[in-house]
Amino acid sequence: SAVISQKPSRDICQRGTSLTIQCQVDSQVTMMFWYRQQPGQSLTLIATANQGSEATYESGFVIDKFPISRPNLTFSTLTVSNMSPEDSSIYLCSVRATSSYEQYFGPGTRLTVT
Amino acid sequence: SQKIEQNSEALNIQEGKTATLTCNYTNYSPAYLQWYRQDPGRGPVFLLLIRENEKEKRKERLKVTFDTTLKQSLFHITASQPADSATYLCALDRAGGFKTIFGAGTRLFVKA
Repeated sequence: SAVISQKPSRDICQRGTSLTIQCQVDSQVTMMFWYRQQPGQSLTLIATANQGSEATYESGFVIDKFPISRPNLTFSTLTVSNMSPEDSSIYLCSVRATSSYEQYFGPGTRLTVT
Repeated sequence: SQKIEQNSEALNIQEGKTATLTCNYTNYSPAYLQWYRQDPGRGPVFLLLIRENEKEKRKERLKVTFDTTLKQSLFHITASQPADSATYLCALDRAGGFKTIFGAGTRLFVKA
């Protein structure tokens, strides 16, 4: 298993500003994932972050809006840029177990945009 | 398009009974099906994974079935306890894929 921490745990931001969310893993992992979860909804994959290469974004998500960094095998950041109230959500990072499909999630960052 | 359906209505059961949650999917051929538990304000926690060639899997009080013909999985918690109260998410993966698809989850309430 893996232990994942996220910062900040929650934030309230003004429209038009940006927020960077940090994700730290206690072991080296190849792939990290960023999800968004709106109240009562399923997790939606934003992008997959691999160390040493550009993140792969899912349909509906673009790098200009959600830039991702992956400087090493234990850390990643997701920035939510030029925020609007529609970006209010919980953002989660996760990693996948080696040679398996089970995922380990961070506690999430609850973002409210006013 | 791919779709996972979990009962959006909360399931209320009495302590000691068996809770049964359903996951149905369409337009998808998963090689793996997973169940996660999510408590309010927390990230999902992995519970069980079952492969397409497995009919049933157990772990302590948990049992998962996987019927690829019906495109359905059932998740059972036997001898349920109030501490089992949470939202349970179903998730699907294709073999060799990197994108897991999650259902919206079913909220379970176990009353003492």
